[in-house]
Amino acid sequence: IAGITQAPTSQILAAGRRMTLRCTQDMRHNAMYWYRQDLGLGLRLIHYSNTAGTTGKGEVPDGYSVSRANTDDFPLTLASAVPSQTSVYFCASSDDSYNEQFFGPGTRLTVL
Amino acid sequence: GQNIDQPTEMTATEGAIVQINCTYQTSGFNGLFWYQQHAGEAPTFLSYNVLDGLEEKGRFSSFLSRSKGYSYLLLKELQMKDSASYLCAVADSNYQLIWGAGTKLIIKP
Repeated sequence: IAGITQAPTSQILAAGRRMTLRCTQDMRHNAMYWYRQDLGLGLRLIHYSNTAGTTGKGEVPDGYSVSRANTDDFPLTLASAVPSQTSVYFCASSDDSYNEQFFGPGTRLTVL
Repeated sequence: GQNIDQPTEMTATEGAIVQINCTYQTSGFNGLFWYQQHAGEAPTFLSYNVLDGLEEKGRFSSFLSRSKGYSYLLLKELQMKDSASYLCAVADSNYQLIWGAGTKLIIKP
């Protein structure tokens, strides 16, 4: 692979279920990010990681958790999904926190 | 609070020039980014400004005035493939990106 991948592409989920969105990059970037994008709003940062082994909270972290066990992978977990988490989720990575970010293709999540 | 403002939608004609404005108020400033996002796709990087002035890259140019909290993206010789949303984002004091809602650009023949 070249770049950044996300899985699944789309998912319909019942409220209350647990869900993990996967993100993998092969560019050896230090920093990774999870955003959600909702109609009429800008991208909003959920969680980020400046380097493997560290994570931080973004603007809208409630209901989400992340881990960064290695450089390549940055999964996002919804512990108990709610309808307000219906959104398009983008994972991104950058060489460092102040460089341009490269985005994955996104995961469209619907919580019913 | 932190705020990024840009027009919701603009329309332009193929072959013409269009300017998309962005104003910002953020806690700190470590650069301004422009991204392009086609419908249903991921954002892709267009430009980065950290100093005042104009940065030119082919048909696209981006301008920054830090004292005015203002930037614009200039697209020349518009092509139909330029129909997309254009996202303005500012890196704040923690280098986190604060994003505008995006400007949807419609190109007409």
